[in-house]
Amino acid sequence: DIQMTQSPSSLSASVGDRVTITCQASQDISNSLNWYQQQPGKAPKLLIYGASNLQTGVPSRFSGGGSGTDFTFTISSLQPEDIATYYCQHYDNLLRVTFGPGTKVDIK
Amino acid sequence: QVQLVESGGGVVQPGRSLRLSCATSGFTFSSYAMHWVRQAPGKGLEWVAFIWYDGSNKYYADSVKGRFTLSKDNSKNALYLQMNSLRAEDTAVYYCARDRKVGGYDSLDMWGQGTMVTVSS
Repeated sequence: DIQMTQSPSSLSASVGDRVTITCQASQDISNSLNWYQQQPGKAPKLLIYGASNLQTGVPSRFSGGGSGTDFTFTISSLQPEDIATYYCQHYDNLLRVTFGPGTKVDIK
Repeated sequence: QVQLVESGGGVVQPGRSLRLSCATSGFTFSSYAMHWVRQAPGKGLEWVAFIWYDGSNKYYADSVKGRFTLSKDNSKNALYLQMNSLRAEDTAVYYCARDRKVGGYDSLDMWGQGTMVTVSS
């Protein structure tokens, strides 16, 4: 089974800062990597699919990159409403889903 | 607009059963595969199960295989999760989510608000 890791597990940054989260797969997954935001008390929300494609309606300060085993998720200018936990996610070839452990982002 | 509304959660004793429902609207339910994802209190997201758009194939996490059964009623635009032999570790918020395939990439693009299941004596 493919394992997903994320780092850091949590971070604190100031409004306006650039924030980057990394996600690593235990084997090559090409671009089959999605990113979700879960604000406190809410359901997850899809932000990025296919490693780098911005979901419709998602602000352009969010971006994703990478391929193979190493991926990044970036918030170019952190806003107060971005306080959330961010998860990477992969589908295997049987369409079973694996989530990373999450990265909690808050405001310094 | 697209809506997914889970129901059926509650408090149940270990070993008992519970059936969750996910009522959907705003999209052609019969054309979409669906998932259940759960989140234990204070923990991360855990995928539970997936069903093809026509219900013909189903996949389960090892942690629920043999105990949980997923079904899809395209005539009622509804998804169900039958949970048997419940354990304390099944305690979680359960979300239903729509599977979308765009540009060759699958993602869970729409989620319900979740329903809480507590397994406790």
